[in-house]
Amino acid sequence: AQSVAQPEDQVNVAEGNPLTVKCTYSVSGNPYLFWYVQYPNRGLQFLLKYITGDNLVKGSYGFEAEFNKSQTSFHLKKPSALVSDSALYFCAVRARRLSGGYNKLIFGAGTRLAVHP
Amino acid sequence: KAGVTQTPRYLIKTRGQQVTLSCSPISGHRSVSWYQQTPGQGLQFLFEYFSETQRNKGNFPGRFSGRQFSNSRSEMNVSTLELGDSALYLCASSLAGGSPEETQYFGPGTRLLVL
Repeated sequence: AQSVAQPEDQVNVAEGNPLTVKCTYSVSGNPYLFWYVQYPNRGLQFLLKYITGDNLVKGSYGFEAEFNKSQTSFHLKKPSALVSDSALYFCAVRARRLSGGYNKLIFGAGTRLAVHP
Repeated sequence: KAGVTQTPRYLIKTRGQQVTLSCSPISGHRSVSWYQQTPGQGLQFLFEYFSETQRNKGNFPGRFSGRQFSNSRSEMNVSTLELGDSALYLCASSLAGGSPEETQYFGPGTRLLVL
C-alpha cells in the first residue's frame, strides 16, 4: 500500500528566511510525487512534481523540492519565504501497479505554513 | 484557458436529502476525479472518470455516486445525506488520466453543509 506522511502540522517561518515543508512517502515501485498549495476557501493549486531525472525540481512561485530516494523523502523548499506563502501545503504520491495500471493519488494530511513579518 | 469550474460553490442540505454537484474540466481534459476534504480525514479520493466510465473508486459507501458526460463534464451525487458528509468536495481534471505522472488540476470546490 502507498502512503504519504507530512510529519509537521504547522511550520512557522520569519519572512525572508528559508522554509522547508517535509514529506516522506511509501510506495512499491517508482513514485510520482506532487506538491499542492491550498489558500483559504480555495481549491488546490499545483506547485511542482517529480517524475524522474534530476532530484531537484523547480516549480511555481519560487518553490522547489528535493527528491531523496534513499530517505524516501520529497521536501518542499523555498530560499526566502514571503508572508503571502502562508497557506496549507499538501504532498501527494502515486505509483504504477505491478499488475498494470496505477494507484490513485494519495495525499498527506497537510502542513500549515505560517510566515511571520 | 479557463480552469476547472464547480457548481454550486456552497450548499446547505438537511439529513436524508440528496445532492448533486457539478464539475466542468479544463477544456481538452478528459479525466475527472473527485475528492472529499474534511478537517478530520483530510483529502480522500472518491472516484475517477474517463470517457464516461468510472476507472478508479475510493472507499466510500454506495450513497456516493458519479457520472461523466460525453463532453467530459462530471456530476457526483450523494443520497441520504448524513451529518458526516459535510465537507469540501473537490473536482480535479487531467488530460487523459492514463499515466501516474499526469498532473491533476483542481477546481475551487463545493462546500456542503448538512444540518
